[in-house]
Amino acid sequence: EIVLTQSPGTLSLSPGERATLSCRASQTVSSSYLAWYQQKPGQAPRLLIYGAFSRATGIPDRFSGSGSGTDFTLSISRLEPEDFAVYYCQQYGSYWTFGQGTKVEIK
Amino acid sequence: QVQLVQSGVEVKKPGASVKVSCKASGYTFTSYGVSWVRQAPGQGLEWMGWISVYNGNTNYAQKLQGRVTMTTDSSTSTAYMELRSLRSDDTAVYYCARCNSYYYYMDVWGTGTTVTVSS
Repeated sequence: EIVLTQSPGTLSLSPGERATLSCRASQTVSSSYLAWYQQKPGQAPRLLIYGAFSRATGIPDRFSGSGSGTDFTLSISRLEPEDFAVYYCQQYGSYWTFGQGTKVEIK
Repeated sequence: QVQLVQSGVEVKKPGASVKVSCKASGYTFTSYGVSWVRQAPGQGLEWMGWISVYNGNTNYAQKLQGRVTMTTDSSTSTAYMELRSLRSDDTAVYYCARCNSYYYYMDVWGTGTTVTVSS
């Protein structure tokens, strides 16, 4: 089973700053099968990025994904108030797994 | 619009079973898979399993093998997840999600069903 490790656990930033979230896999993951989700308290997760780079429908272009192999990154260019949330990476490789999440909180 | 509406809150005793439904609308049900994901209180997301609506193939998380069964009913565009021999650590919010058939990401999520297991 592929284990995804996200870092940092918590990111404390101010609105307008850039956020960089990391997702490291225990084995190589196909870029086609790497996704990122955002979850706010009391809500279901929302798909942000699929195929490592592609934004889902309706996702603002301040969100971007990059990486390959075992190292993937979600970047938020300028944090808006609604971006403070928990972010999860997810992979598919016979089984699906999620990372443990990165909380982006207001500094 | 595309949506997945799940069944309501469940409270069960240890050892019992629960069956959660997930009714899809706004898209061709058989063109996507359905994944089930749960989230224990204050914890992260845990993938439980996946079912192909097209042919009924399933893929379950190893830790739940033998206790979980996922099915679909194309006549009503509804997916089901049954979990047996419930334990207190099965207490969680359970989500269904539409799963892309080629790249396996989950692009539409259900409303969530809270399952509490308590004696």
